[in-house]
Amino acid sequence: RKEVEQDPGPFNVPEGATVAFNCTYSNSASQSFFWYRQDCRKEPKLLMSVYSSGNEDGRFTAQLNRASQYISLLIRDSKLSDSATYLCVVNKGGATNKLIFGTGTLLAVQP
Amino acid sequence: DAMVIQNPRYQVTQFGKPVTLSCSQTLNHNVMYWYQQKSSQAPKLLFHYYDKDFNNEADTPDNFQSRRPNTSFCFLDIRSPGLGDAAMYLCATSQGASTEAFFGQGTRLTVV
Repeated sequence: RKEVEQDPGPFNVPEGATVAFNCTYSNSASQSFFWYRQDCRKEPKLLMSVYSSGNEDGRFTAQLNRASQYISLLIRDSKLSDSATYLCVVNKGGATNKLIFGTGTLLAVQP
Repeated sequence: DAMVIQNPRYQVTQFGKPVTLSCSQTLNHNVMYWYQQKSSQAPKLLFHYYDKDFNNEADTPDNFQSRRPNTSFCFLDIRSPGLGDAAMYLCATSQGASTEAFFGQGTRLTVV
């Protein structure tokens, strides 16, 4: 089992749609969770951190379910500019503390 | 202002010719990472430094080495690049390994 798993997509959605991505992680000792956005041929950039209580930033909502070991990202009212790859990132935790990336989910928002 | 700077942005090297990629940071973060990202794939962690402690991933080839002479700088040395090493190499930093990572713009390596 991969340490961090995501559906690679692509998710093709019309403008204005709501879209949700899930990510599962294997290490129950993981403490920190993030969603990054990566545009084609660019570096990943932090979209938002994911907190136990869930958090929202404008059209973006992130949630964490520790019991089931998954995190989610919800994007409301999709814009063309939201088209990108969304990477789930988890710190491995425990004695080996490092950031592990999921394979990413490709989102294509269409007019 | 760029906080994690990678040089060069683009590097072309010959098959088998050693190459060094550099990364510097102004954030004074104690963790520095090197990731390799190939087309349509996730960034793959090669190794990371926690302060001066070097942590190599089990599946990182011996061909890849790293140096961190001080807090601000970290280097990736590829001793004998093969065609399969062509990729984007991303440097990232974080304060501790539980906080978000900040990435440089990457170095795109081409092997000819």
